Amino acid sequence: AQKVTQAQTEISVVEKEDVTLDCVYETRDTTYYLFWYKQPPSGELVFLIRRNSFDEQNEISGRYSWNFQKSTSSFNFTITASQVVDSAVYFCALSSGNTGKLIFGQGTTLQVKP
Amino acid sequence: DAGVTQSPTHLIKTRGQQVTLRCSPISGHKSVSWYQQVLGQGPQFIFQYYEKEERGRGNFPDRFSARQFPNYSSELNVNALLLGDSALYLCASSLDPETGGAWDTDTQYFGPGTRLTVL
Repeated sequence: AQKVTQAQTEISVVEKEDVTLDCVYETRDTTYYLFWYKQPPSGELVFLIRRNSFDEQNEISGRYSWNFQKSTSSFNFTITASQVVDSAVYFCALSSGNTGKLIFGQGTTLQVKP
Repeated sequence: DAGVTQSPTHLIKTRGQQVTLRCSPISGHKSVSWYQQVLGQGPQFIFQYYEKEERGRGNFPDRFSARQFPNYSSELNVNALLLGDSALYLCASSLDPETGGAWDTDTQYFGPGTRLTVL
């Protein structure tokens, strides 16, 4: 069975704090893809990153960084020096089995207070 | 370039009615997927269409159907609406579900969604 777990339902931080959003996944496939999406109050899912199962290199994009560890089946997302505009619901998603189906976690609501 | 567009933005229906939601993919994208997002949960996969053919179907009843047109736009139909169908319906497009070979999966880009309320 394929599953994505985001154990943190809500996180609240003060602006400029660093925050890490956890994502744990389950799949029996050896080839799979992991994604992070951001959903602001407007409702549209905004793509942030895609990683395939063969590339465990960590990635940094501005204030965003991602840590992929196959040994623990985790794909965590860190925002450095958070800003109020980062407030949103963040979803981790998995795609595998040679299909385009995305399996989403429950999402983590991040609130960044000024 | 225009992103994924969906219409209408909001819709209110009563139980038992039928609804049609529309989606236009990003120019050049051939695959369209539909997701249902109930309040407080992550999106759930409903359908994926590629080149007018159904490529995948989620665990939804037969009341849900979809189709894709030659211009790659898509419609999602839901018959005999239930209160539980109230949700945000998201459409996503991707270039090709198997770009680069059987092992690849293209990124799905989402539209703003249609919020359906069933009374």
